[in-house]
Amino acid sequence: QVQLVQSGAEVKKPGSSVKVSCKASGGTFTKYTINWVRQAPGQGLEWLGRINPTFGRTKYAQKFQDRLTIFVDDSTNTTYMELSSLKSDDTAIYYCAREVFWLDPWGQGTVVTVSS
Amino acid sequence: EIVMTQSPATLSVSPGEGATLFCRASQSVSTNLAWYQQKPGQAPRLLIYGASTRATGIPARFSGSGSGTEFILTISSLQSEDFSVYYCQQYNNWPPWTFGQGTKVEIK
Repeated sequence: QVQLVQSGAEVKKPGSSVKVSCKASGGTFTKYTINWVRQAPGQGLEWLGRINPTFGRTKYAQKFQDRLTIFVDDSTNTTYMELSSLKSDDTAIYYCAREVFWLDPWGQGTVVTVSS
Repeated sequence: EIVMTQSPATLSVSPGEGATLFCRASQSVSTNLAWYQQKPGQAPRLLIYGASTRATGIPARFSGSGSGTEFILTISSLQSEDFSVYYCQQYNNWPPWTFGQGTKVEIK
């Protein structure tokens, strides 16, 4: 059973960057494409981007194209999501999820709060 | 970008009754549609993929149907643990993967 475990909560200042990790266990990590999805307080789910670890190929939602980076550390089976130039409306829970066409399983989520 | 629209936004149901949730895509997604359940404070959980296939461990009271642009999630005989928010998601055309805005199933 694949499990995804994410890093802990972050509090950041506007204009700074945040890096969230997602560590996979219980499977052959290199076979899985990992997606990142966020959920603002009281809101729905918003897809951010994805990475295919086997080929290192990434795809980002257009609105995040210029400030989102997703990358993989193969040595630790960990994927990272880094979002820069943070604004208050980036405050959200950030989830990683394995893509098997659909998304399953999901990490437990990482709360990112952007506040001055 | 494919827009997913769910209805109703909120559904009030008594325990033991059934519930029908709708999801519409702005263009055909074939059967490349998933449903997720999200309980407060938890990550979404996959319920249905391929529009009608239950994920591992999902009870038979959950069923999905539809293809193209119209999809339905049916929950027969709601249990206390089923009162949650449900999202549909298309994985036919990307980027981006897109989600519906969610339907909250609450206790009547």
